[in-house]
Amino acid sequence: AQSVTQLDSHVSVSEGTPVLLRCNYSSSYSPSLFWYVQHPNKGLQLLLKYTSAATLVKGINGFEAEFKKSETSFHLTKPSAHMSDAAEYFCVVSETSNTGKLIFGQGTTLQVKP
Amino acid sequence: EPEVTQTPSHQVTQMGQEVILRCVPISNHLYFYWYRQILGQKVEFLVSFYNNEISEKSEIFDDQFSVERPDGSNFTLKIRSTKLEDSAMYFCASSDRTFFSYNEQFFGPGTRLTVL
Repeated sequence: AQSVTQLDSHVSVSEGTPVLLRCNYSSSYSPSLFWYVQHPNKGLQLLLKYTSAATLVKGINGFEAEFKKSETSFHLTKPSAHMSDAAEYFCVVSETSNTGKLIFGQGTTLQVKP
Repeated sequence: EPEVTQTPSHQVTQMGQEVILRCVPISNHLYFYWYRQILGQKVEFLVSFYNNEISEKSEIFDDQFSVERPDGSNFTLKIRSTKLEDSAMYFCASSDRTFFSYNEQFFGPGTRLTVL
């Protein structure tokens, strides 16, 4: 079965410093991987998705993630944090079954300090 | 830009009452999902729906739960007799599941259900 582990429940950075949110996945097949962001009282917004075309995936708002099969990781990074990046981030894997259900990690709360 | 909408944004109900949560998926999407997130826990899959029938459901989705697409636009989740542990944020999602979408699912803003 597929699963996702987000290694940090809470990350705190200062504005302007790099962001690293860590995610490891478990999958028997080549997975479809996503990062979603949830701002307070908002829905889940897709940041980026791994499409197997390139291991380095660029998303919205300056975020990117690198798929590393050897490490089964899909860490999310951003060179310079902005106050508006403060939110909950979810690493997600898509089931390979026909239904395509998504399996979520536990989430990482990103705090950005001025 | 098309989006998934959900109503109501917040629903308060008494234990044992029936609730219906409503969703309007993106119009050209064919695959529909419900997820829930209990406060402080991860988002969990409840059910997927395609071609007017359930394609997969989780262990959470017992006989108290049902889904329906009554009119070709709305997608509803009904809980027949709510329990305290049903209190959660419920998210609706839809997808077109084309090859190039890689099953990207578009989520609504959620309905917060509070069972007293």
